[in-house]
Amino acid sequence: SQTIHQWPATLVQPVGSPLSLECTVEGTSNPNLYWYRQAAGRGLQLLFYSVGIGQISSEVPQNLSASRPQDRQFILSSKKLLLSDSGFYLCAWSRGFDQPQHFGDGTRLSIL
Amino acid sequence: QKEVEQDPGPLSVPEGAIVSLNCTYSNSAFQYFMWYRQYSRKGPELLMYTYSSGNKEDGRFTAQVDKSSKYISLFIRDSQPSDSATYLCAGTQGGSEKLVFGKGTKLTVNP
Repeated sequence: SQTIHQWPATLVQPVGSPLSLECTVEGTSNPNLYWYRQAAGRGLQLLFYSVGIGQISSEVPQNLSASRPQDRQFILSSKKLLLSDSGFYLCAWSRGFDQPQHFGDGTRLSIL
Repeated sequence: QKEVEQDPGPLSVPEGAIVSLNCTYSNSAFQYFMWYRQYSRKGPELLMYTYSSGNKEDGRFTAQVDKSSKYISLFIRDSQPSDSATYLCAGTQGGSEKLVFGKGTKLTVNP
């Protein structure tokens, strides 16, 4: 069976500090991978998606970037965090665009 | 107009009740529809995945899609306190990377 891991579960960072969130998927190969942010009252916002190693598409221009160095590894980064980057970050995978997405348990990021 | 609209609730029902959760969508190209359950401080968990119009049943859960009225529903029979969560509906068109979510309905099932 397939599993998705995200870490850390909770993170508190000062404004201006860098960020690296990691997501890995097990039990499947060549998955589509996604990063979402979920803000209270605003629903799930797609940030980035990837259909293969090194292939990243950005949905929303912002202070964040994503990378896919390995088939089942997806990383969300920032060089300098802003207060507005606070939120609940979720990684997801799917077998294809018409297939359902499966989510990790997320990282709750607080910026001070 | 938002692409997927969902009543945020909260919705509170007694244990054993039949729960009806609903969404409307505006994009007539949507063909695939999903319902997710999200417990507090956890990621969304896929409950139901349907294609086009019709019904799909899985245990106590039934998903219904009416493309003519752009209306999707999730029914929960014999609701349990463990069903207390936020329920998210989502839709997408064929070949699109974008899954469009509603904002979720918070459900509480009281023992």
